[in-house]
Amino acid sequence: DIQMTQSPSSLSASVGDRVTITCRASQSIYSYLNWYQQKPGKAPKLLIYGASNLQSGVPARFSGSGSGTDFTLTITSLQPEDFATYYCQQSSSTPPYTFGQGTSLEIK
Amino acid sequence: QVHLVQSGAEVTNPGASVKVSCKASGYSFTGYYLHWLRQAPGQGLEWMGCIKSRSGATSYAQKFQGRVTMTRDTSISTAYMELSGLRSDDTAVYYCARDPGYTLGHPMYDLWGQGSLVTVSS
Repeated sequence: DIQMTQSPSSLSASVGDRVTITCRASQSIYSYLNWYQQKPGKAPKLLIYGASNLQSGVPARFSGSGSGTDFTLTITSLQPEDFATYYCQQSSSTPPYTFGQGTSLEIK
Repeated sequence: QVHLVQSGAEVTNPGASVKVSCKASGYSFTGYYLHWLRQAPGQGLEWMGCIKSRSGATSYAQKFQGRVTMTRDTSISTAYMELSGLRSDDTAVYYCARDPGYTLGHPMYDLWGQGSLVTVSS
């Protein structure tokens, strides 16, 4: 199985900050990398698919980049509603489609 | 409005089975794959498998092979996930999620059910 490693595991930031979360795959997944946001007690929400494509309805302050094994999610100008847990997910050709362990973004 | 609505919470005994339903509305049920994922308390997300809603073809994670069965009833736009031989570490929130098919064979999940908490306890 492809292992996905996110860093950091947790992050404190302030409203208005720019933050970056990284995700590394144990082997090349080309650009088959998706990012989700999850708030407590809620289902995840798709933010970015195919490494860099913004899902419809997601604010433009969210962006993704990377290919191969190394990927980043960037949030510019953090808003209060952005404090949540973020997961990366690989969807390379062979299941299982594995997730990173999550990054908890907290208010400083 | 598009929705996936799942069945309610269940408390079951070790060794028993549980069947979770996922009813789709607001879109063409047979046009999409549905995936099942789970999340243990305080943990991350785990992919369990998927079903092609049109044909009923399934693909399961090796971890769950032999214990999980995914089915669907197209007449009522509902998918089901049954997990047998339950253990305490199967306690989790189980989600169904739709793959929009932006990239065939490389799923992502744009629509999720609200989750169904399954608690395995004696």
